[in-house]
Amino acid sequence: DGGITQSPKYLFRKEGQNVTLSCEQNLNHDAMYWYRQDPGQGLRLIYYSQIVNDFQKGDIAEGYSVSREKKESFPLTVTSAQKNPTAFYLCASSIGGSAYNEQFFGPGTRLTVL
Amino acid sequence: GENVEQHPSTLSVQEGDSAVIKCTYSDSASNYFPWYKQELGKRPQLIIDIRSNVGEKKDQRIAVTLNKTAKHFSLHITETQPEDSAVYFCAASNTGGYQKVTFGTGTKLQVIP
Repeated sequence: DGGITQSPKYLFRKEGQNVTLSCEQNLNHDAMYWYRQDPGQGLRLIYYSQIVNDFQKGDIAEGYSVSREKKESFPLTVTSAQKNPTAFYLCASSIGGSAYNEQFFGPGTRLTVL
Repeated sequence: GENVEQHPSTLSVQEGDSAVIKCTYSDSASNYFPWYKQELGKRPQLIIDIRSNVGEKKDQRIAVTLNKTAKHFSLHITETQPEDSAVYFCAASNTGGYQKVTFGTGTKLQVIP
């Protein structure tokens, strides 16, 4: 299971606050992804990055922001503009940008807005 | 963009029976179809995938079939075992340009001993 880590495992936030979720990988993967998982809705793509200093919006990017300053790191910020942020967040990475490549997932962060 | 529909959302089978999960996709340009398994409390993991130039692929008790004309693909699990109990996600992607993977909504499979 090693290689891609997320922290913290559980995160609680007061309404109106921004919060940043960490994602780190030591697999030397070029591509990284953020997904949101809600019951009955599968995995929905928030943002993805094919290379350092480049990222693209996914299907549900509103209220989220990311950065990719280092190959190993792809932090996700959930802003106060996200209307329903309580969810399970999964980070993933793959060796390259080709979708033929297997995505390796982190253990996830469960965010709860109080 | 791509839209992937997955059915059923839940599936219960007796141990030893077969299970079939079906998915449809909307973008005819999609050419890669992976399946991920997520056990309770764990992260999703790739179990099998198929490319558009292949109609069927098998790996022990698991097989995937692809019908490009109808734009649907299926996961078949034979001789199910309790450890097959999990949520299964199908996905589709187009490997050209900015390749992103679109996932289905998941199927919760329960294998009853």
